[in-house]
Amino acid sequence: DGGITQSPKYLFRKEGQNVTLSCEQNLNHDAMYWYRQDPGQGLRLIYYSQIVNDFQKGDIAEGYSVSREKKESFPLTVTSAQKNPTAFYLCASSPTLAWDTEAFFGQGTRLTVV
Amino acid sequence: GDSVTQMEGPVTLSEEAFLTINCTYTATGYPSLFWYVQYPGEGLQLLLKATKADDKGSNKGFEATYRKETTSFHLEKGSVQVSDSAVYFCALSDRGAGTASKLTFGTGTRLQVTL
Repeated sequence: DGGITQSPKYLFRKEGQNVTLSCEQNLNHDAMYWYRQDPGQGLRLIYYSQIVNDFQKGDIAEGYSVSREKKESFPLTVTSAQKNPTAFYLCASSPTLAWDTEAFFGQGTRLTVV
Repeated sequence: GDSVTQMEGPVTLSEEAFLTINCTYTATGYPSLFWYVQYPGEGLQLLLKATKADDKGSNKGFEATYRKETTSFHLEKGSVQVSDSAVYFCALSDRGAGTASKLTFGTGTRLQVTL
């Protein structure tokens, strides 16, 4: 089945640690995205990528980093510079960045700082 | 900038009741409009979309009409089921926003349907 796989589903991080969230898609989509979901705030865009080896900052990129070395993979690193990382993180992809294109979402990773 | 405003939740309805979830938007260009649904513990799924004024998106008994004059995209369903319990997100993607089709989301409306 085609889709987007995020792992792990739950992740715990100690203060001061970097952690990497995995996102893999087998839909052959060019565009990929990372969103952060907090209660009562909807989804906010962290980073997006139109094509391999290219990515752009979204609305809340501070404290995060990404890479896009392969078309099917778009990992997100939450660095120690992110002051409030506890949230639900969603990865998405779409065939292109066209304005009328549906985005497909993964199941999400819930990150908790302990 | 672009923004989406949804009615506050939670919305609690009895099974077979009529559902309306209000959504209004502000956009600099001429956006596409979407409704996504999120079931507990899962990611988002597209429910329906409309790409131009007066278009009606529909799926699984849900409908929404793109109203440019009122900048609205209200979600409706004539008879809800318990299985419709979820969080519903209104979103837009603005053609005038440049090369990136970035979705702007509302805060979500939680629907709880009871027997």
